[in-house]
Amino acid sequence: GQSLEQPSEVTAVEGAIVQINCTYQTSGFYGLSWYQQHDGGAPTFLSYNALDGLEETGRFSSFLSRSDSYGYLLLQELQMKDSASYFCAVRDISGGSYIPTFGRGTSLIVHP
Amino acid sequence: DGGITQSPKYLFRKEGQNVTLSCEQNLNHDAMYWYRQDPGQGLRLIYYSQIVNDFQKGDIAEGYSVSREKKESFPLTVTSAQKNPTAFYLCASSQADSYNEQFFGPGTRLTVL
Repeated sequence: GQSLEQPSEVTAVEGAIVQINCTYQTSGFYGLSWYQQHDGGAPTFLSYNALDGLEETGRFSSFLSRSDSYGYLLLQELQMKDSASYFCAVRDISGGSYIPTFGRGTSLIVHP
Repeated sequence: DGGITQSPKYLFRKEGQNVTLSCEQNLNHDAMYWYRQDPGQGLRLIYYSQIVNDFQKGDIAEGYSVSREKKESFPLTVTSAQKNPTAFYLCASSQADSYNEQFFGPGTRLTVL
């Protein structure tokens, strides 16, 4: 089976940098993705890592270490609008299908 | 504009009734998914479909059924066998099941009275 662990809540102030960690256990690994979800809204895709290293997209970066089964999402220059839930997700390969699994999500609260 | 739509946004159901949630996409995506989200929980996979006329059970398929008769449509029926159906239901699609980026609809909030 698959499981993902991420902190339930992180708080930070505007302008700061915050890191949201994700550790995973899968029987077959096919990349780590990150999604953002505002209250009552739909999740939106932020980033994807298939290989080790850092991927940067504007203020957001995502990192993966496959040997450690670990990744993180880094948010820089925090803004109030970044207050949301952030989910890591993996895909496992089973019977020829790519099965997505999401973590429980990290609620990010940005204070002025 | 391409996108994925779900209807209705809010749905109320009496206990013992079946209800069908709509999901339509015009992104020409092959793969479609249904997730359930409860407060403080992540997204749990109910069913997914890699291609028309084919679908597979996810982690929590009991009490749910789906069909995939058209590429654009993937309706979910919540049956009376689902013991705790009150939740937020999200439909998603991706170009293929091997593609990591999923596009989500706005969701349907189902409440059982």
